[in-house]
Amino acid sequence: AQKVTQAQTEISVVEKEDVTLDCVYETRDTTYYLFWYKQPPSGELVFLIRRNSFDEQNEISGRYSWNFQKSTSSFNFTITASQVVDSAVYFCALSERGGADGLTFGKGTHLIIQP
Amino acid sequence: GAVVSQHPSWVICKSGTSVKIECRSLDFQATTMFWYRQFPKQSLMLMATSNEGSKATYEQGVEKDKFLINHASLTLSTLTVTSAHPEDSSFYICSARAHVGDRGLGQYFGPGTRLTVT
Repeated sequence: AQKVTQAQTEISVVEKEDVTLDCVYETRDTTYYLFWYKQPPSGELVFLIRRNSFDEQNEISGRYSWNFQKSTSSFNFTITASQVVDSAVYFCALSERGGADGLTFGKGTHLIIQP
Repeated sequence: GAVVSQHPSWVICKSGTSVKIECRSLDFQATTMFWYRQFPKQSLMLMATSNEGSKATYEQGVEKDKFLINHASLTLSTLTVTSAHPEDSSFYICSARAHVGDRGLGQYFGPGTRLTVT
């Protein structure tokens, strides 16, 4: 069965520091999608990125970057020059069957950015 | 585009009553909708997958007679929590997968419904 592991339960850094959130996944499927979501205290999920299993290119979007490595089954997320507004719970998730299946979420990492 | 709404956003009900939660895709047709549950300070867990016009598929451990799902149209799925008990208090989130095109590769989440059973 598929599984997503986010080993970091909580991370606390001071504003402007860089921080990396780890995500390791398990799947027997060859065609799958990986996701990152942000969940602020309001509860609404904010979509950050979707990556399919055939695209290992790293991606950068402003202060956010993602490193996808199939060899280590990892899909890590880095925030550069963190800001207080980045404080939230971040979830990594996996969808098998080419994205047709419901998402399997990791337990989430609570990121605290201190001013 | 790709907006999903849920109603109500929060609800408080008494133990033993039933509660219906609606999930609507506002600007696209969703052949498949998913229902998730999130307990406080925990992750989201997939409860069931509903396809328009057919019976929902429930994940292991989810009682189908307690959580009734209806996906009667391409834009609406409902989750009814029957005979609710305090342990059913949770944050329920739906997502919708579009019918065709690039949107078919993404799942769009609703804002969630917070259920409190007293």
